[in-house]
Amino acid sequence: DAGVTQSPTHLIKTRGQHVTLRCSPISGHKSVSWYQQVLGQGPQFIFQYYEKEERGRGNFPDRFSARQFPNYSSELNVNALLLGDSALYLCASPQRYQPQHFGDGTRLSIL
Amino acid sequence: AQSVAQPEDQVNVAEGNPLTVKCTYSVSGNPYLFWYVQYPNRGLQFLLKYITGDNLVKGSYGFEAEFNKSQTSFHLKKPSALVSDSALYFCAVMISNYQLIWGAGTKLIIKP
Repeated sequence: DAGVTQSPTHLIKTRGQHVTLRCSPISGHKSVSWYQQVLGQGPQFIFQYYEKEERGRGNFPDRFSARQFPNYSSELNVNALLLGDSALYLCASPQRYQPQHFGDGTRLSIL
Repeated sequence: AQSVAQPEDQVNVAEGNPLTVKCTYSVSGNPYLFWYVQYPNRGLQFLLKYITGDNLVKGSYGFEAEFNKSQTSFHLKKPSALVSDSALYFCAVMISNYQLIWGAGTKLIIKP
């Protein structure tokens, strides 16, 4: 079975633009979590979705939004990009009280 | 506030020597603790977890971790370090069914 897959691998945007990141969880998993990892820091929780419903939200501005589709894949959207949004965005395929399996992430660079 | 601390930004160890990467936590209730490793330009790979049971947990690649409830610590250890162990290591605690709180990470450098 494929693991967690994320696309694109790298992305370069300019300030004020919009970006969409995509994630597919492990086959059969119904939940997706999104994390932001700024260089030199640990990941920060952004969102968690289960069965297309938001189940958790971290301390991020409303510029960040997400959704989950019927096939359990997910999109993370960020509007009005700022330089500080430059980071590695990680998607995980969590199960209750089990290790979360992560994709390789999308490296977002804001110029 | 619930938190995870990794007090060392970097740990340097000679190949073949034992290594320890430190982690302390502050959470309400029983902690569910994890260690992950991250190689350059890659995602996070699970190493080991503590949910309940024995305080010494064994994981992947010869790593183990010791849970100490009184000291609220969960230190990562390996008896004999390899150069290939050089990477970034993160400690995390699960505060809900799915959400993880992470330490800032410790860069482990193993010198030949």
